[in-house]
Amino acid sequence: DAGVTQSPTHLIKTRGQHVTLRCSPISGHKSVSWYQQVLGQGPQFIFQYYEKEERGRGNFPDRFSARQFPNYSSELNVNALLLGDSALYLCASSLSDRAYSSLHFGNGTRLTVT
Amino acid sequence: TQLLEQSPQFLSIQEGENLTVYCNSSSVFSSLQWYRQEPGEGPVLLVTVVTGGEVKKLKRLTFQFGDARKDSSLHITAAQPGDTGLYLCAGMTGTASKLTFGTGTRLQVTL
Repeated sequence: DAGVTQSPTHLIKTRGQHVTLRCSPISGHKSVSWYQQVLGQGPQFIFQYYEKEERGRGNFPDRFSARQFPNYSSELNVNALLLGDSALYLCASSLSDRAYSSLHFGNGTRLTVT
Repeated sequence: TQLLEQSPQFLSIQEGENLTVYCNSSSVFSSLQWYRQEPGEGPVLLVTVVTGGEVKKLKRLTFQFGDARKDSSLHITAAQPGDTGLYLCAGMTGTASKLTFGTGTRLQVTL
């Protein structure tokens, strides 16, 4: 079975540009979450979506937005990119949004902003 | 804001040595997870501990959840080069998908 897949794997953008990152969850998983991992740090929660509805949002500016599609795949959008947005963006899926539902992470998209 | 502090930040040991990684917080978590992350990959779940005082063993890895559910430890016996990686603890409150990750411990095991 395919795991969580993310695209693209690497991306280089210029300050001020916009970026869209994509995530396909494990088949049957209805919850998708996004995390930002800056080099040398642990991941930080950005968004959670379950059944196409936003269920949680971390402490990130409005430049960050996301959505979940009817097939449960998800997109993370970042507008007006800053140098500090350079990071590994991780997507994780789980069967539900209930406590103790195991998260499965993809290998991430490495975003570099120059 | 919930914070999880891990110590040590870096650990370089030789094959066969034992080690312990600590994960501490001032906040109470409903459960705590440990992940290992290798370069270029996402974190992989090792274990979930739920009950205060709980101890779980996974081959040479022993995980403990503090009685007050604010801290946890990971002990590795007879470390091997394959144990090399970034170890992350993550606390869970409320929904499963909103994890608060620790600062990470980078472990290198050499021959």
